[in-house]
Amino acid sequence: AQKITQTQPGMFVQEKEAVTLDCTYDTSDQSYGLFWYKQPSSGEMIFLIYQGSYDEQNATEGRYSLNFQKARKSANLVISASQLGDSAMYFCAMREGESTGTASKLTFGTGTRLQVTL
Amino acid sequence: EAGVAQSPRYKIIEKRQSVAFWCNPISGHATLYWYQQILGQGPKLLIQFQNNGVVDDSQLPKDRFSAERLKGVDSTLKIQPAKLEDSAVYLCASSSDSTFNEKLFFGSGTQLSVL
Repeated sequence: AQKITQTQPGMFVQEKEAVTLDCTYDTSDQSYGLFWYKQPSSGEMIFLIYQGSYDEQNATEGRYSLNFQKARKSANLVISASQLGDSAMYFCAMREGESTGTASKLTFGTGTRLQVTL
Repeated sequence: EAGVAQSPRYKIIEKRQSVAFWCNPISGHATLYWYQQILGQGPKLLIQFQNNGVVDDSQLPKDRFSAERLKGVDSTLKIQPAKLEDSAVYLCASSSDSTFNEKLFFGSGTQLSVL
């Protein structure tokens, strides 16, 4: 079974609008971390935001926020006030935690390509 | 602070040839990762080092891929012999430790084309 599912291969959003990128995950661990990375055409993966499974409040980092719904196992990324520079691939990823005493590898979804238009 | 350095940026080889990639992690980062990213897919972990010991190499095709991290700093990933399906971007990442909330810092990757 897929650990991380991103169902939107591509999304369009107009400049200055908000956009939500979907991510659902599958784990039986109680401790885990959820990450979002941005990958522009240059290829480097850029860390955007992190949400821990025990965090009660949704994470925010500037224009990025993570809509964490634990019961639904979803961790959607919300980008407010989109900019042309936000055009890139966006990957959701998960790292499972302490069931074995050490953290598991970071597992990525297939990504969503976001295109910001004028 | 310098980021994760990788070289070369691009490499084109013919099948059955060998190739090596180099990675220099962020200074002081104990954990180093090599990921393979095939076009249209998310990155897949090949190998994870903690200092100079291997933590996870369960998805490394050991008949053709090898990796080492001497002195717990730089790392090289080698493919010998290469196959067409090895065409991908090879990403190196590092983190200060391997706890589940630790974020990874990535390099720009090496794009490999096998002809």
